[in-house]
Amino acid sequence: EAGVTQFPSHSVIEKGQTVTLRCDPISGHDNLYWYRRVMGKEIKFLLHFVKESKQDESGMPNNRFLAERTGGTYSTLKVQPAELEDSGVYFCASRLAGVADTQYFGPGTRLTVL
Amino acid sequence: AQSVTQPDIHITVSEGASLELRCNYSYGATPYLFWYVQSPGQGLQLLLKYFSGDTLVQGIKGFEAEFKRSQSSFNLRKPSVHWSDAAEYFCAVGPDSSYKLIFGSGTRLLVRP
Repeated sequence: EAGVTQFPSHSVIEKGQTVTLRCDPISGHDNLYWYRRVMGKEIKFLLHFVKESKQDESGMPNNRFLAERTGGTYSTLKVQPAELEDSGVYFCASRLAGVADTQYFGPGTRLTVL
Repeated sequence: AQSVTQPDIHITVSEGASLELRCNYSYGATPYLFWYVQSPGQGLQLLLKYFSGDTLVQGIKGFEAEFKRSQSSFNLRKPSVHWSDAAEYFCAVGPDSSYKLIFGSGTRLLVRP
């Protein structure tokens, strides 16, 4: 069974540009999460989808970040326009439906904003 | 406020030596507790989790962790470290696995030959 995949693995962009990160969850996982790790600090929650609906987006830093999950399959996280402080590693995780089920994480996308 | 503290940023141990990585948490109720590991180029892999019951939890790769409510700790241990254990380790808490996880800042483990 394929794990959570993320694309691209690395992205380097200029300040003010737009970047779109993609996450493909494990097949059949209704729950999808985005997290971010900035500058070697703790990994912080961004938002949680259940199927195509946003269950919790309390961690989204500002309106420059837009997450979508059309059709309840893969998800995209767009940053527009990117700022220097957006640099970090963006992780995606997916989970089955049960409360005790594990969140499985992808390898992350390393975003560098110059 | 809910938080997780991993006081050691880096730890270096010799191969074959024992290991203990510390994790302290601040949480209003009894949380679900997790340890994840990230090897270079890999995603976060779940080592073990504690929900309830026996406070000593066994995980994959020979790791175990002990939940101590009185100390608000969930330290990770391994009796004999292998070179392949070199990675970054994250402790996390949540009300359950379905909710957002709160992570510590991670401990990077280096293994000396």
